[in-house]
Amino acid sequence: GENVEQHPSTLSVQEGDSAVIKCTYSDSASNYFPWYKQELGKGPQLIIDIRSNVGEKKDQRIAVTLNKTAKHFSLHITETQPEDSAVYFCAASGKSGGSYIPTFGRGTSLIVHP
Amino acid sequence: KAGVTQTPRYLIKTRGQQVTLSCSPISGHRSVSWYQQTPGQGLQFLFEYFSETQRNKGNFPGRFSGRQFSNSRSEMNVSTLELGDSALYLCASSPGQPEDEQYFGPGTRLTVT
Repeated sequence: GENVEQHPSTLSVQEGDSAVIKCTYSDSASNYFPWYKQELGKGPQLIIDIRSNVGEKKDQRIAVTLNKTAKHFSLHITETQPEDSAVYFCAASGKSGGSYIPTFGRGTSLIVHP
Repeated sequence: KAGVTQTPRYLIKTRGQQVTLSCSPISGHRSVSWYQQTPGQGLQFLFEYFSETQRNKGNFPGRFSGRQFSNSRSEMNVSTLELGDSALYLCASSPGQPEDEQYFGPGTRLTVT
């Protein structure tokens, strides 16, 4: 089955700095890569996603890059703000039975210091 | 539009008992997926229901089961509870097409003693 490795497990930055979280996956059949943000006491929330036919996608301060050959993808957050503090999960998904079944990374706890 | 709701939010059970968790999806969503989140294993996919049928299943023992009703509400049942079943159980709903975003509920925190 799919295996997703996520690094680092904890990331501490100063407000205004950039943050980068990296993930690698093992199954070359995976073709959908979402990123989720989970705040304390809440369920994960999709913040950005990328599909295998695209190398990069950007949404305001958030960007994701994908290298299918190397089987790795990364989340980039620029101009970090204290409200960006949360746990971030990457996932790699392949289509099965009409939907995408995700395998998640172990999460990165991002702390943004004011 | 109301979000995904899960009940109860917290639950304490004893080893050997069974438990039923409930999930009400966003109105109009036909797909409900269940996930288990633990510090040790992270977020893991349990199963997905679409139009009252199980469409996908993760690698969990048969003690974990679910169902979906005609109004898309879903229940998850765990029988013969073990200490290792202590976890946050999350459900997520979507309209049901592969390209659709999943919306997660706040989860049910299950503690098995």
